[in-house]
Amino acid sequence: SQQGEEDPQALSIQEGENATMNCSYKTSINNLQWYRQNSGRGLVHLILIRSNEREKHSGRLRVTLDTSKKSSSLLITASRAADTASYFCATDLGGSYIPTFGRGTSLIVHP
Amino acid sequence: DAGVIQSPRHEVTEMGQEVTLRCKPISGHNSLFWYRQTMMRGLELLIYFNNNVPIDDSGMPEDRFSAKMPNASFSTLKIQPSEPRDSAVYFCASTPGGLRTEAFFGQGTRLTVV
Repeated sequence: SQQGEEDPQALSIQEGENATMNCSYKTSINNLQWYRQNSGRGLVHLILIRSNEREKHSGRLRVTLDTSKKSSSLLITASRAADTASYFCATDLGGSYIPTFGRGTSLIVHP
Repeated sequence: DAGVIQSPRHEVTEMGQEVTLRCKPISGHNSLFWYRQTMMRGLELLIYFNNNVPIDDSGMPEDRFSAKMPNASFSTLKIQPSEPRDSAVYFCASTPGGLRTEAFFGQGTRLTVV
């Protein structure tokens, strides 16, 4: 079953703009992770945020977590054409440490 | 480390044939996952091993699917007999274990059953 669901399903922006993707989940978690998938490739881990954290940064990435709303957001600032990819959130289903993925947001950054 | 290695990268087979997908996890990782990705269903967890032992296979679609992990450095996912609806990209991923739960994915095997 799908634990996390990303929103929007697709996002198209111009280079230099910020991209925001959201993830909602259903059950309690230990942590939430964001991954990136380029076309035809495997998923690559971007960032992990633990349930007791509210915000985390890594380079141009900013992740927030609101456990009361069971939601997270991924912000990519100053986007580049190379950021074009699908982005997935993954939660550990019910604290099981098994990464369970949503359906992803497809991001297109136009140069 | 070369990362998670999957083989083959592409497999085209006829309906009814047996298909075996292979995975070599990252050395030292103690958890291994098999996922299936399709446009319709997204990324589905098929089975999860911890220290070579299958822990959760509730995602395996039916008895035609089986998975083994004979040792810490090798796992297989077998489909027998294969059907066209099995066409998908199959990913293997491993995690270090303990509090480190970030998954490292292989490049996937694109399976086409005709």
